[in-house]
Amino acid sequence: QKEVEQNSGPLSVPEGAIASLNCTYSDRVSQSFFWYRQYSGKSPELIMSIYSNGDKEDGRFTAQLNKASQYVSLLIRDSQPSDSATYLCAVLLGGTDMRFGAGTRLTVKP
Amino acid sequence: EPEVTQTPSHQVTQMGQEVILRCVPISNHLYFYWYRQILGQKVEFLVSFYNNEISEKSEIFDDQFSVERPDGSNFTLKIRSTKLEDSAMYFCASSLDRGAETQYFGPGTRLLVL
Repeated sequence: QKEVEQNSGPLSVPEGAIASLNCTYSDRVSQSFFWYRQYSGKSPELIMSIYSNGDKEDGRFTAQLNKASQYVSLLIRDSQPSDSATYLCAVLLGGTDMRFGAGTRLTVKP
Repeated sequence: EPEVTQTPSHQVTQMGQEVILRCVPISNHLYFYWYRQILGQKVEFLVSFYNNEISEKSEIFDDQFSVERPDGSNFTLKIRSTKLEDSAMYFCASSLDRGAETQYFGPGTRLLVL
């Protein structure tokens, strides 16, 4: 069973729309969850972290966590062409062992 | 803004050769990490390092890999006898603490094994 699963996409949304990215994880004891953005050929860049059930908002980004369903999501409001990238869901298994999903490729069309 | 740096940016080597990838973590960070990303695949955790010893390692981090902090600033990943399948982007990261602390990634070293 894969530890972290994401739809690979590509997900295409028009500029100004809401992009919704989803992630499920298999390890029930995981407590820390992260969304990273990765542009082609570049390193992952942290967008948001979330540790408690519910929503966490930061600017145009909202992360949602449901530990009972082992589900994490990321909403991007007012999507911009510069948001076009691969979005990586990551789950901390132990204190330092972070496992990534394969990523969802997002394209925002002007 | 402090950042993680890595050298070299690209490395080409022959199968069976040893390579050393270098990283300079953010100066006040205590935890250091290596990840790899094979082209078109996911980022994979290799190892974490704290207080001059390995904290955790994945199933990928076998005997051909080793890590070291040879001085106060550098953090290295050594691959003893490279294989074709070691070709990947290798990312170093660092964090202030473990757990929920943000891991900051370096720009990566692209390793090609011929």
